[in-house]
Amino acid sequence: DAKTTQPTSMDCAEGRAANLPCNHSTISGNEYVYWYRQIHSQGPQYIIHGLKNNETNEMASLIITEDRKSSTLILPHATLRDTAVYYCIVSQSTGNQFYFGTGTSLTVIP
Amino acid sequence: DVKVTQSSRYLVKRTGEKVFLECVQDMDHENMFWYRQDPGLGLRLIYFSYDVKMKEKGDIPEGYSVSREKKERFSLILESASTNQTSMYLCASTTGTHSYEQYFGPGTRLTVT
Repeated sequence: DAKTTQPTSMDCAEGRAANLPCNHSTISGNEYVYWYRQIHSQGPQYIIHGLKNNETNEMASLIITEDRKSSTLILPHATLRDTAVYYCIVSQSTGNQFYFGTGTSLTVIP
Repeated sequence: DVKVTQSSRYLVKRTGEKVFLECVQDMDHENMFWYRQDPGLGLRLIYFSYDVKMKEKGDIPEGYSVSREKKERFSLILESASTNQTSMYLCASTTGTHSYEQYFGPGTRLTVT
């Protein structure tokens, strides 16, 4: 069952910030938000995850709203290599049963 | 670096054949997963395993079985391949403790004719 809603596709200009939204209005208290991406012809790759605080790593930032019903993945300076399908997933930290859905296809435009 | 390998990148089989898809990981991960990916449907979980000889059904187990005789190897079996099993099959693994990051193999594109 789908637990997240994401736009089907987005464009972003190279060098600009890419902001990818995700709605997860039915998230429960012990569920984390995970983001993965899949570049064409490769397996998905982990980007970042969080519970309720904002998170940042070398790849991206994750902003989670206070009510935890939505989040935004931010790629601060998008490059052509960031063109990929981005998946927002909610799941408990244990169990590992991820529902990937269809994600958002991000195209970075030169 | 974690490495997850799959036995074939491309495979063509006939309807009714028994098909084995092999996945091997080299990082001593406890958990392994099989997904299939189809246009418009995203990745769907077929089976997963938390330990040797253990298996759990995912969202779409019908028509598939799995085998995990060794920790590093997780096999997906199509007992009698059908055309609706034509798909991209992806294997993944993760540790039991830092289980937020699943490491994926490159995928096997299976065509059943």
